[in-house]
Amino acid sequence: EAGVAQSPRYKIIEKRQSVAFWCNPISGHATLYWYQQILGQGPKLLIQFQNNGVVDDSQLPKDRFSAERLKGVDSTLKIQPAKLEDSAVYLCASRYASYEQYFGPGTRLTVT
Amino acid sequence: SQQGEEDPQALSIQEGENATMNCSYKTSINNLQWYRQNSGRGLVHLILIRSNEREKHSGRLRVTLDTSKKSSSLLITASRAADTASYFCATDAGTALIFGKGTTLSVSS
Repeated sequence: EAGVAQSPRYKIIEKRQSVAFWCNPISGHATLYWYQQILGQGPKLLIQFQNNGVVDDSQLPKDRFSAERLKGVDSTLKIQPAKLEDSAVYLCASRYASYEQYFGPGTRLTVT
Repeated sequence: SQQGEEDPQALSIQEGENATMNCSYKTSINNLQWYRQNSGRGLVHLILIRSNEREKHSGRLRVTLDTSKKSSSLLITASRAADTASYFCATDAGTALIFGKGTTLSVSS
């Protein structure tokens, strides 16, 4: 079974630029999550999708972050404009029913 | 917000020794999960313990859960250099996981 795919793996941008991350969950997993992990901390939920609907985006900085899940499968997370404090690893995870979440390898973003 | 708090923040041991990490949380949960993260890599699921379970084993891993104290522990027996990683507990209250800050384990040979 293929795992959760993410791209790119690494991205370096300057502040005020925009960036987008892509995630392809495990086939059949209805629930998809985006987490932000700042160095030295645990992952923090940004947004949760159930199929193509948003379940929880309470911690998503909506003035600069946006996310969508196309046709209930792939998802993109965008930051525009980026700030220095957005430097982090962005993790995508998917889940089937109430079982454990499976995480992708993450995208490491550096904002200079 | 982070619910789980791991203790200790860092742990250094020799190969063959046991490693114990603790996690405390604040609210009621459906289950508690432990994840491992190697440097620069994604999170790997280790074990899940449900709120009505008290102890669970998986290979060299032993997890306990005390819901009255809102705490859990992860024991890794006979540690190996390959166990060097960060370990996170994550609580599941029905929606997304809430992670702690993690314990960094270093196993030297």
